[in-house]
Amino acid sequence: GQNIDQPTEMTATEGAIVQINCTYQTSGFNGLFWYQQHAGEAPTFLSYNVLDGLEEKGRFSSFLSRSKGYSYLLLKELQMKDSASYLCAVRSHPPIKAAGNKLTFGGGTRVLVKP
Amino acid sequence: GAVVSQHPSRVICKSGTSVKIECRSLDFQATTMFWYRQFPKQSLMLMATSNEGSKATYEQGVEKDKFLINHASLTLSTLTVTSAHPEDSSFYICSARDLAQGSHEQYFGPGTRLTVT
Repeated sequence: GQNIDQPTEMTATEGAIVQINCTYQTSGFNGLFWYQQHAGEAPTFLSYNVLDGLEEKGRFSSFLSRSKGYSYLLLKELQMKDSASYLCAVRSHPPIKAAGNKLTFGGGTRVLVKP
Repeated sequence: GAVVSQHPSRVICKSGTSVKIECRSLDFQATTMFWYRQFPKQSLMLMATSNEGSKATYEQGVEKDKFLINHASLTLSTLTVTSAHPEDSSFYICSARDLAQGSHEQYFGPGTRLTVT
C-alpha cells in the first residue's frame, strides 16, 4: 500500500517562510505533486517533482529526495491569501495499465498566516 | 489552461434517492477521469478511475453498485450515488488529464457538495 504523512497544521506570520514536509512510502513511484486547497474549493496545482532536487516557481519551491521518500514545499514571503490546506500527493504506476496513473493524497497541512 | 466543470455544485437529496453528478472537460479530451470524495477537514480519497468506453476501476472499499460511473465520451464522466444515505454526504471532486498535451497534471473540477437528509 501507500503511506503519506504531512503535519496537520502550521502557523506562520505574514512575510515569513514556511516549509511543509511530506514523507511517503509507495511502490511504483512516478512523481510527487503539491496542491493548494482553499476551504470548500477544489485543489489547484502548485508543483510537480519526479527527479531529485529543487523546483522553484515564484514564491513556491518544492524539493524531492526519492531515496529518502521525502519532499517539502517551501512558501516564501507569505501572504494572507496563502492561508489554505496544502496537499502532498504521490503518483504511482498502476498494476493494470488501463487504470491509469493515480494520485494518493496525504492528509493535508492547514497553514494559517497571521498578520 | 485546461478547465474541468462539475454539475451541480451543490445538491440536497432525501435518503433513499439517487443523485447524478456530471464532470466535463471543457477544452480538452480526457481518456481518464478520476472521482474523489472528501469529508470535512480530511484529504481527498480516490474512489474510482473512470476510463472512456470501459468499466471504471474502483478503489478498495468503494461499492461499485452504489457509486455508478459512466464515462460515455472523452469529455464527460458521470457519478451516480444510488440509494443515498446521510453518511454519503460529502464533497465529491472529479479530475481529468489532458492526454493530448502529454501533461502529468490532473485538472480538478470545482467539486459537488452533496447533503443527504
